[in-house]
Amino acid sequence: GQNIDQPTEMTATEGAIVQINCTYQTSGFNGLFWYQQHAGEAPTFLSYNVLDGLEEKGRFSSFLSRSKGYSYLLLKELQMKDSASYLCAPRGYQKVTFGTGTKLQVIP
Amino acid sequence: SQTIHQWPATLVQPVGSPLSLECTVEGTSNPNLYWYRQAAGRGLQLLFYSVGIGQISSEVPQNLSASRPQDRQFILSSKKLLLSDSGFYLCAWSGEGTNEQYFGPGTRLTVT
Repeated sequence: GQNIDQPTEMTATEGAIVQINCTYQTSGFNGLFWYQQHAGEAPTFLSYNVLDGLEEKGRFSSFLSRSKGYSYLLLKELQMKDSASYLCAPRGYQKVTFGTGTKLQVIP
Repeated sequence: SQTIHQWPATLVQPVGSPLSLECTVEGTSNPNLYWYRQAAGRGLQLLFYSVGIGQISSEVPQNLSASRPQDRQFILSSKKLLLSDSGFYLCAWSGEGTNEQYFGPGTRLTVT
């Protein structure tokens, strides 16, 4: 089975940096996704890590440590529009399991 | 480019009524297709996935069923809805040899 743990809520200030952590236990690990979901909308793809290390994509970066079952999403230069839920989703054989997500509130 | 459609966008149905939600994908062939449900304040729960026509894997035993009558069409059904079936239903697709899943706009179902 799969077990995913990430903080329920976080608050950060506009312009700041925030790190959202995720730990997971999964069988047949085959990569890890991060998705962004605004309230009432469908999730949108942010990043995919399959190897250890940091993947940078503009203001967003994602890190993976397979041996530790750990990932984080780093958001820089926060904007108000970044207020959303961020879903950690490890991929096993043929399917992806989504965590309950971290609701990030960006304040002025 | 690929697009994914879902309809209807919102639905209010009485308990015991049937359900049919449709999802279609354009611009790709032989996609993997998925149905998820997200209850209020909860995470995404995988309901069904399909790797090809007529091939359906069920993740959660319940009163829902899925069918894939055509390569790019995925249908979620129920014969009799329960109150607990209320939620946000999302269809997603992923391509052969790719990993990320792309979601449709979702259907918000309220069972009364």
